[in-house]
Amino acid sequence: QQQVKQSPQSLIVQKGGISIINCAYENTAFDYFPWYQQFPGKGPALLIAIRPDVSEKKEGRFTISFNKSAKQFSLHIMDSQPGDSATYFCAASLTGTASKLTFGTGTRLQVTL
Amino acid sequence: DADVTQTPRNRITKTGKRIMLECSQTKGHDRMYWYRQDPGLGLRLIYYSFDVKDINKGEISDGYSVSRQAQAKFSLSLESAIPNQTALYFCATSDQGSGETQYFGPGTRLLVL
Repeated sequence: QQQVKQSPQSLIVQKGGISIINCAYENTAFDYFPWYQQFPGKGPALLIAIRPDVSEKKEGRFTISFNKSAKQFSLHIMDSQPGDSATYFCAASLTGTASKLTFGTGTRLQVTL
Repeated sequence: DADVTQTPRNRITKTGKRIMLECSQTKGHDRMYWYRQDPGLGLRLIYYSFDVKDINKGEISDGYSVSRQAQAKFSLSLESAIPNQTALYFCATSDQGSGETQYFGPGTRLLVL
């Protein structure tokens, strides 16, 4: 059972555009929602994370929007750059479960010139 | 990534062979994880360990075993490899001090013929 559903599977955005990746979760007990970024040949690395007590978190060009009632959260990349081309994974976990993350299926982002 | 190392980085083996993937970390973290990554399926948890004396099955543990030889070392074994275990394998670490953040190694690409 896929507890975290991610879309789209792939995304092509022009340089300077906005990239939007969406995730939906099923377990209402989840209370930590990170996004990981993975470049080819590398392991994933934490990009930004949010907890459900806030509806938005921004770090530079990256913003997480969180909708608790809809059980959805999304990653917005403003002014997308070719260097942002990577695979992005959303995830969710329960605090106190030793950081046991449930990952989405990933989105391959390509930012074109 | 240098704090979490995985060996080998690439491995080709034949059906029925036993193989071991190794993970070492210098981050001093107590929690370690093994994931496999498949296209379209994201990252799925195989096993995780809270400390040296603690081993837990993840989402897809069948066909795999692990050994936590020391706080810094966590090995994944495929007792009798089969072709559908062809995947990219990642080790990750975390601890209470890092919060929920997991730090991933560079991955091992395994091909089972």
